[in-house]
Amino acid sequence: DVKVTQSSRYLVKRTGEKVFLECVQDMDHENMFWYRQDPGLGLRLIYFSYDVKMKEKGDIPEGYSVSREKKERFSLILESASTNQTSMYLCASSLRQGKAFFGQGTRLTVV
Amino acid sequence: AQSVTQLDSQVPVFEEAPVELRCNYSSSVSVYLFWYVQYPNQGLQLLLKYLSGSTLVKGINGFEAEFNKSQTSFHLRKPSVHISDTAEYFCAVSRGGGADGLTFGKGTHLIIQP
Repeated sequence: DVKVTQSSRYLVKRTGEKVFLECVQDMDHENMFWYRQDPGLGLRLIYFSYDVKMKEKGDIPEGYSVSREKKERFSLILESASTNQTSMYLCASSLRQGKAFFGQGTRLTVV
Repeated sequence: AQSVTQLDSQVPVFEEAPVELRCNYSSSVSVYLFWYVQYPNQGLQLLLKYLSGSTLVKGINGFEAEFNKSQTSFHLRKPSVHISDTAEYFCAVSRGGGADGLTFGKGTHLIIQP
């Protein structure tokens, strides 16, 4: 069965910390995505990648960066976490123009 | 740029009644359209998608949606809902050619009342 795995379900970090959110997919998908989900705002695209070492900004990239060193792994990095980055983070992967598969999400709290 | 409007943030409906969740989109290019469902404490699951062809799309769990290009709508329907359909539903439109991620609406919380 298809799988997108996010390394943590829940995470609590302090303001100013560097935070890594990891995502791995086992479907050999080209495209991977990071979204954040906030109540009343739906999902918003942070960054995406369509190939190894390639990255593109989504709608809300400020305060985030990403890394894709291997096809199956896409990391979201918060260089200096802030309280307004408290959110649910969802990783997804897809083939070109195909169905997107989502991970279970990481609920990040920055205190 | 694309945008998606889900007109209702919450829709209460009685069990076994029909339901329609509304979605309108705007885009300057041809789009692919999707409906996703999120059950409590779970990730998103694809209900159905429109890429091309027939404008009536059937999905999982008895849901269907109709693509209406002139009205730029993609409303989701089910003729008879069950308690297990209680969830958050998201309409989404492809960015660019589909490889650039999705633009989501803000979601509609479907509440099934016994």
